[in-house]
Amino acid sequence: DTGVSQDPRHKITKRGQNVTFRCDPISEHNRLYWYRQTLGQGPEFLTYFQNEAQLEKSRLLSDRFSAERPKGSFSTLEIQRTEQGDSAMYLCASSPTRPDQNTEAFFGQGTRLTVV
Amino acid sequence: AQSVTQPDIHITVSEGASLELRCNYSYGATPYLFWYVQSPGQGLQLLLKYFSGDTLVQGIKGFEAEFKRSQSSFNLRKPSVHWSDAAEYFCAVDEYGNKLVFGAGTILRVKS
Repeated sequence: DTGVSQDPRHKITKRGQNVTFRCDPISEHNRLYWYRQTLGQGPEFLTYFQNEAQLEKSRLLSDRFSAERPKGSFSTLEIQRTEQGDSAMYLCASSPTRPDQNTEAFFGQGTRLTVV
Repeated sequence: AQSVTQPDIHITVSEGASLELRCNYSYGATPYLFWYVQSPGQGLQLLLKYFSGDTLVQGIKGFEAEFKRSQSSFNLRKPSVHWSDAAEYFCAVDEYGNKLVFGAGTILRVKS
């Protein structure tokens, strides 16, 4: 078990470009979450998957954002036509089921996006 | 809407001193509550969680937290802080089992 893996760790892109991030959850974890964290703030929920089904999306997830989890394994988060306001840390987390007394959500180290 | 408030943005304590980080939540039902720690440039690590039962929960690294329903609080404590505890701490509430709602965090500095 290598934990939740995110790639890349850092991404610098020019405004208007598209970027894609990847998250590899802990194997056998059915749930996968994406959060965004801006400087000085706590993480904010973006979306989550139960297996391959995307079950909820935050209003923060504008039309420029899309997330997928084909085959219920890894997930990708794509941002189209990036804006400076998209600069943030994008965190991925996974859990076997809904977190309870016996389980928890494990977070990756995040992808730091800088839009210049 | 559910919300989590961490009133202290920064806290500085001397090494060996006790620590209490405050957390208040707004939530209609019985909440599931969490404390996470984040070191610079890193992801989040779970310190402890409360689901039900004993309102005093023990976590890793010597941390504990007490759930007080009457005060809508879930404060994090440690009797003796170590320099390695310097980090940012986040309180969170589980919203309907589908996502975590986080507070803005408290940055802990430890003086030697």
